[in-house]
Amino acid sequence: GAVVSQHPSWVICKSGTSVKIECRSLDFQATTMFWYRQFPKQSLMLMATSNEGSKATYEQGVEKDKFLINHASLTLSTLTVTSAHPEDSSFYICSAPQGTSGIHEQFFGPGTRLTVL
Amino acid sequence: AQSVTQLDSHVSVSEGTPVLLRCNYSSSYSPSLFWYVQHPNKGLQLLLKYTSAATLVKGINGFEAEFKKSETSFHLTKPSAHMSDAAEYFCVVSPRGAGNQFYFGTGTSLTVIP
Repeated sequence: GAVVSQHPSWVICKSGTSVKIECRSLDFQATTMFWYRQFPKQSLMLMATSNEGSKATYEQGVEKDKFLINHASLTLSTLTVTSAHPEDSSFYICSAPQGTSGIHEQFFGPGTRLTVL
Repeated sequence: AQSVTQLDSHVSVSEGTPVLLRCNYSSSYSPSLFWYVQHPNKGLQLLLKYTSAATLVKGINGFEAEFKKSETSFHLTKPSAHMSDAAEYFCVVSPRGAGNQFYFGTGTSLTVIP
């Protein structure tokens, strides 16, 4: 099956700094990728849809100036958490769809654990 | 609007007994439905998916799910639980024509007792 990677797998940063997380589709192209946030023992919350060649689409309540998304190529999307604060500490997961005839399966990256001190 | 309700946050079964994880959905569009499993410190793995073909869907590791439109349900079952099935299970709805967004249920933690 298709493989999606994320880098880094974990990161610790100081409050006020910015952190960039990369999501790559390794063996397929993805014009769309998705970013999720997962709190401990909770479900995944869709944050935004990353669109290659155009602006990301954010879900209601997600600050687009806080979580900057750039879909640089057909295999790479980045999420930058700007001016990170402890409440931004979470598990961030990306996914990319692959499929035909409008029926797409999502392939998920392994996630990035962000800890803001 | 789309939503998924997983009726049980925790399910505990004995090894070798049946598993039932319940999921109800609402969707403005004819949906695709999925079950994913997440083992500790691992990525999400697809168990099975419903995409308007057969209503009874067979997945990996002996799991099945039945799409019941009249009940707006997509419950996950397995005849006999194995210790390795202990994990977090997510029911997911993807409304067709909505850009492939996935909407996750709150998850069900499955414990298997030896």
